[in-house]
Amino acid sequence: GAVVSQHPSWVICKSGTSVKIECRSLDFQATTMFWYRQFPKQSLMLMATSNEGSKATYEQGVEKDKFLINHASLTLSTLTVTSAHPEDSSFYICSARLLAGFNEQFFGPGTRLTVL
Amino acid sequence: GQNIDQPTEMTATEGAIVQINCTYQTSGFNGLFWYQQHAGEAPTFLSYNVLDGLEEKGRFSSFLSRSKGYSYLLLKELQMKDSASYLCAVTDSNYQLIWGAGTKLIIKP
Repeated sequence: GAVVSQHPSWVICKSGTSVKIECRSLDFQATTMFWYRQFPKQSLMLMATSNEGSKATYEQGVEKDKFLINHASLTLSTLTVTSAHPEDSSFYICSARLLAGFNEQFFGPGTRLTVL
Repeated sequence: GQNIDQPTEMTATEGAIVQINCTYQTSGFNGLFWYQQHAGEAPTFLSYNVLDGLEEKGRFSSFLSRSKGYSYLLLKELQMKDSASYLCAVTDSNYQLIWGAGTKLIIKP
């Protein structure tokens, strides 16, 4: 159990376009989902915390107007990278936290974004 | 501020034992996680400690000392597939997960 999926697994887009990444908890309900970004050879960097039915909480330095997060249901959160630029190329990973338990985060497989 | 320290890189030999240390200073403590991350993949859960002591799970064990703000991950009978980054993460008083930078473990034959 506790499987998280992400779609797409990889995407290549032109500079200036917008890209939407979906994160789904397949077999559990997640009131809280997290979005991370990871550049090559660097650690995970939390971008935002997404709570179902409310606005996401963004980490310092993350532009909320550029990285739009929607958490419309207990099993789905989406991250839209608007007007993507080459510097946005990265590995984007979502995770979901169970309603109960010891706050373990279950990670999706990640989405590799390449902006040309 | 909140801080988690772990070595950047370690090297070990196949079949041997390696211990990866993690020290933390956080505002409150609600548990410590170890995750494994292979290159190009998302992290996968290894262990969780919230009480002092050793948790053993197969070839992997994790130890916690809350008074010292210290944990270690012990990997026994190392296999080549254990080559990965190992991430230490602590849940603070707000249940926010604070991540270490990760330790890249290189296994040599």
